[in-house]
Amino acid sequence: GNSVTQMEGPVTLSEEAFLTINCTYTATGYPSLFWYVQYPGEGLQLLLKATKADDKGSNKGFEATYRKETTSFHLEKGSVQVSDSAVYFCALGRTVTGGGNKLTFGTGTQLKVEL
Amino acid sequence: ETGVTQSPTHLIKTRGQQVTLRCSSQSGHNTVSWYQQALGQGPQFIFQYYREEENGRGNFPPRFSGLQFPNYSSELNVNALELDDSALYLCASSFKQAYNEKLFFGSGTQLSVL
Repeated sequence: GNSVTQMEGPVTLSEEAFLTINCTYTATGYPSLFWYVQYPGEGLQLLLKATKADDKGSNKGFEATYRKETTSFHLEKGSVQVSDSAVYFCALGRTVTGGGNKLTFGTGTQLKVEL
Repeated sequence: ETGVTQSPTHLIKTRGQQVTLRCSSQSGHNTVSWYQQALGQGPQFIFQYYREEENGRGNFPPRFSGLQFPNYSSELNVNALELDDSALYLCASSFKQAYNEKLFFGSGTQLSVL
């Protein structure tokens, strides 16, 4: 079945440091890929997505590129801020149309950004 | 537009009891999904409802059931609660059930089973 593997956290960085959170997936076909973010006490919010190979999703300075050859969707940001502190989830969408939009999530990576 | 709202925010039950969690989807959304998020884990898909019918189910036993109403709000019912059912239950809505459609999540209901 489909699965997502994320790097374990917590990841602790200083403000303005470069961020990479690794995500790899296992799936049949060509799934859509997502990054969701969960701030303390809040629900998950879509950060970015990519729907086909070589697509780059981007939002709020975060980027991730759909790499079919390495089955990866690593999240990057050039300069993190304290406000980026949250838990980040990589997720895999269904690989066929129809039948709903179930997501398969990774275990999440907690990011802590310090001054 | 209003977002996804869930009630209650916290709930404590004892083993063997039954619980009902509620979700109001975002305005204009006709698809609702429920997820279980255990502590330190990613959300796990329970099931999805589209136009009042179940449309996809994850690996959860039949004692997890749901409903979607004509106004697209939804309920999650869990019978015969077990200790392992303690988790954050998340509701998510979307405009349609397409496979790459953005989901809008509520803040969740934290269920503790003692």
